[in-house]
Amino acid sequence: DTGVSQDPRHKITKRGQNVTFRCDPISEHNRLYWYRQTLGQGPEFLTYFQNEAQLEKSRLLSDRFSAERPKGSFSTLEIQRTEQGDSAMYLCASSLAGGGLTNEQFFGPGTRLTVL
Amino acid sequence: KQEVTQIPAALSVPEGENLVLNCSFTDSAIYNLQWFRQDPGKGLTSLLLIQSSQREQTSGRLNASLDKSSGRSTLYIAASQPGDSATYLCAGRGSGTYKYIFGTGTRLKVLA
Repeated sequence: DTGVSQDPRHKITKRGQNVTFRCDPISEHNRLYWYRQTLGQGPEFLTYFQNEAQLEKSRLLSDRFSAERPKGSFSTLEIQRTEQGDSAMYLCASSLAGGGLTNEQFFGPGTRLTVL
Repeated sequence: KQEVTQIPAALSVPEGENLVLNCSFTDSAIYNLQWFRQDPGKGLTSLLLIQSSQREQTSGRLNASLDKSSGRSTLYIAASQPGDSATYLCAGRGSGTYKYIFGTGTRLKVLA
């Protein structure tokens, strides 16, 4: 499968614990996005990477959230001291910078986080 | 602040009907616009991308257009089928930002 993959698919944690999610983009894609989606809403932008550089981050993102993309390949999203309000689907998308249809975003299946 | 409205919020139609889904942005300066479908509990599937130099795109029974003067996009679905039942989302990116803003979606149900 050459699509975007995310791990784990589901995560249940207790309030106050730290969690980390992983995203593997389509191999040649240099752009990577993280989004958060709650029930009945569209995805909400969290952060954007071009290669290994984090170029844009939502002002809504608290300092409990951090993301990395070492070597411009896979990315991780960490949430520290989780709160019940962090319960959501976390989605990763990738695309290829350039002309034509290469700006098209492709999404992974998501990681569903439940904070008890 | 850019906001996106999708109308209608929900739609139920008999099989075979032609449909129009609407998406409008408060800031009409849209650089790229992409339409997606999302099945319950799943990730998003890309349908059509309209880039900055384009005004519409077509794929099979789907056609999407973007009016940059008004910041409005429409997704036209011809001869709808039960397999088209899903939530349809539009997302736009303005110039000078990499951030995509999504609408809340249109929940479509096509009845056999």
